[in-house]
Amino acid sequence: QSALTQPRSVSGSPGQSVTISCTGTSSDVGDYNYVSWYQQHPDKAPKLMIYDVSKRPSGVPDRFSGSKSGNTASLTISGLQAEDEADYYCCSYVGSYTFVFGTGTKVSVL
Amino acid sequence: QVQLVESGGGVVQPGRSLRLSCAASGFTFNDYGMHWVRQAPGKGLEWVAIIWYDGSNKYYADSVKGRFTISRDNSENTLYLQMNSLRAEDTAVYYCARGITGTSFDPWGQGTLVTVSS
Repeated sequence: QSALTQPRSVSGSPGQSVTISCTGTSSDVGDYNYVSWYQQHPDKAPKLMIYDVSKRPSGVPDRFSGSKSGNTASLTISGLQAEDEADYYCCSYVGSYTFVFGTGTKVSVL
Repeated sequence: QVQLVESGGGVVQPGRSLRLSCAASGFTFNDYGMHWVRQAPGKGLEWVAIIWYDGSNKYYADSVKGRFTISRDNSENTLYLQMNSLRAEDTAVYYCARGITGTSFDPWGQGTLVTVSS
């Protein structure tokens, strides 16, 4: 199972919006509404930000939102803040109780 | 609060074995499936294995199938990863994570570093 494809980096100024794409295939992202997103600050453990494509866990700011169209999922950060600077990973269920992560995207706040 | 604490990492020679542990607290451990996820130095995340809440089913990434074994002791609230026939490419920080909604991971432990080198 190949890793899902994400852009290496995206950037934006404080207050702006950025969107991270996560492209898979009809066997993973396109076949299941089980895409999750994780934020990872340097030398820290990942943190769940979005699950089941667009659901937000308690405590995650509503600036974070998720969506999916076909084989591509997306994470949008609205009203970008300095603390949002981190690496972000998508993850998709791929059947048979197995999972695949994306290649990761570094978000920079200019 | 919900907490996961990994241990057991270290430096090991290629071909040797190592067992990782993950101590869980702050939730009813035997209600949840559990996962191992790893991250090679400077690289992305890679899902490794899942075990069901009662230990009845286990699934693995192709990269570790036949070499790694996930297990749990619900009486001790502990998750394990037995790693055999280790290779240089297994060098990574290994995280344990609780499975929620069946298809996402929350929270994660702080990770334990495994280095496979002669």
